[in-house]
Amino acid sequence: SYVLTQPPSVSVAPGKTARITCGGNNIGSKSVHWYQQKPGQAPVLVIHYDTNRPSGIPERFSGSTSGNTATLTISRVEVGDEADYSCQVWDSTSDHVIFGGGTKLTVL
Amino acid sequence: EVQLVESGGDLVQPGGSLRLSCSASGPTFSGYSMHWVRQAPGKGLQWVSYISSSGTDIYYADSVKGRFTMSRDKAKNSLSLQMNSLRVEDTAMYFCARASHQWPYDGFEVWGQGTVVTVSS
Repeated sequence: SYVLTQPPSVSVAPGKTARITCGGNNIGSKSVHWYQQKPGQAPVLVIHYDTNRPSGIPERFSGSTSGNTATLTISRVEVGDEADYSCQVWDSTSDHVIFGGGTKLTVL
Repeated sequence: EVQLVESGGDLVQPGGSLRLSCSASGPTFSGYSMHWVRQAPGKGLQWVSYISSSGTDIYYADSVKGRFTMSRDKAKNSLSLQMNSLRVEDTAMYFCARASHQWPYDGFEVWGQGTVVTVSS
């Protein structure tokens, strides 16, 4: 079955750039979506279709894909960005939605 | 703007059954595909099931296939998840989510706040 691999944690200082990766076999051929989830809250879609920001998501959030890796980039990180981030794809081989294990972003 | 509200979560014994519901306020979600996603305490997101906008295509995660049944009622603008033969490992917060469009590969644009299912003796 298709697997998405994320680092368990990423740390970054305020004002710096955070990059969260999501690895999967030929992930560049799939549509990748990213979610932000703060404690006790429902997830929020922050990037869909690899690079697109839904309405209301700051321009500081961007996405990219290349080969076997998708990356969520958060520029000028703020304390309020501290959250869990998860990537997600649709695997047409199994007709399953696949989530990555999630990455906890800590703003130091 | 559409809002989703889940209900039906409860404490149930292993082997028991539960029916979750998801209702929408605001614009109808009839033209969108819908999903159930769960999150065990302290764990990541796990997809449970998908239903197409027409209701004709339904897919399940391997861990729930044969035990859970997803359905939608267009007239009532609602979604349901019938859960049978519940196991301890089904314990989680269950979210319903609306896709951004009608396709299974769309992102989940709208989420409910979730309902808690606890399976324990």
